[in-house]
Amino acid sequence: GNSVTQMEGPVTLSEEAFLTINCTYTATGYPSLFWYVQYPGEGLQLLLKATKADDKGSNKGFEATYRKETTSFHLEKGSVQVSDSAVYFCALSVPRWDRGSTLGRLYFGRGTQLTVWP
Amino acid sequence: SQTIHQWPATLVQPVGSPLSLECTVEGTSNPNLYWYRQAAGRGLQLLFYSVGIGQISSEVPQNLSASRPQDRQFILSSKKLLLSDSGFYLCAWSVGNPPLGYTFGSGTRLTVV
Repeated sequence: GNSVTQMEGPVTLSEEAFLTINCTYTATGYPSLFWYVQYPGEGLQLLLKATKADDKGSNKGFEATYRKETTSFHLEKGSVQVSDSAVYFCALSVPRWDRGSTLGRLYFGRGTQLTVWP
Repeated sequence: SQTIHQWPATLVQPVGSPLSLECTVEGTSNPNLYWYRQAAGRGLQLLFYSVGIGQISSEVPQNLSASRPQDRQFILSSKKLLLSDSGFYLCAWSVGNPPLGYTFGSGTRLTVV
């Protein structure tokens, strides 16, 4: 089946520290991989994505590389800021044909709470 | 531009009362629509998805139902709420073959008391 295993939180860092949030997956077929971020009281926003092996997604200083050999998509940032405090979700999507449409439901990890202190 | 509207933002309802959450999409046609729920301390769970008007699929058995009366309107309902229905409900849409991305609404925080 399809599933995402994500590093348990919470993660607490000082400003300018290096961040890694681990994410591994199992999937049938060829998934696309995503990182979503949820700021307090808000919905989910797409942070970055990668659609095939060895692709690197990047945005706002965050990066993640699609590693098929290790089935991983770890999120990294070299220097975190207080404004990065949020919950981060790793997710995958495997297209599925359903009544004439390609459905791509998302499978989410449990989320990792990141708190950055000044 | 493509946007998704979800309301209300917060809702407190007594046990046994009905529920109706609405989600509308603008700037796209024939999207795939999804309802997700995020329970406290847990990840997101897909509740329903829809590939077209009147076409609803349920991922998990539950006390909720969904309807899609128009192409860009997706409604989550319940006749009688349970305490376990409390959570953060997110509507989302995807377009493309395969899906090029997903856009989420801002969510509704439902507390059943």
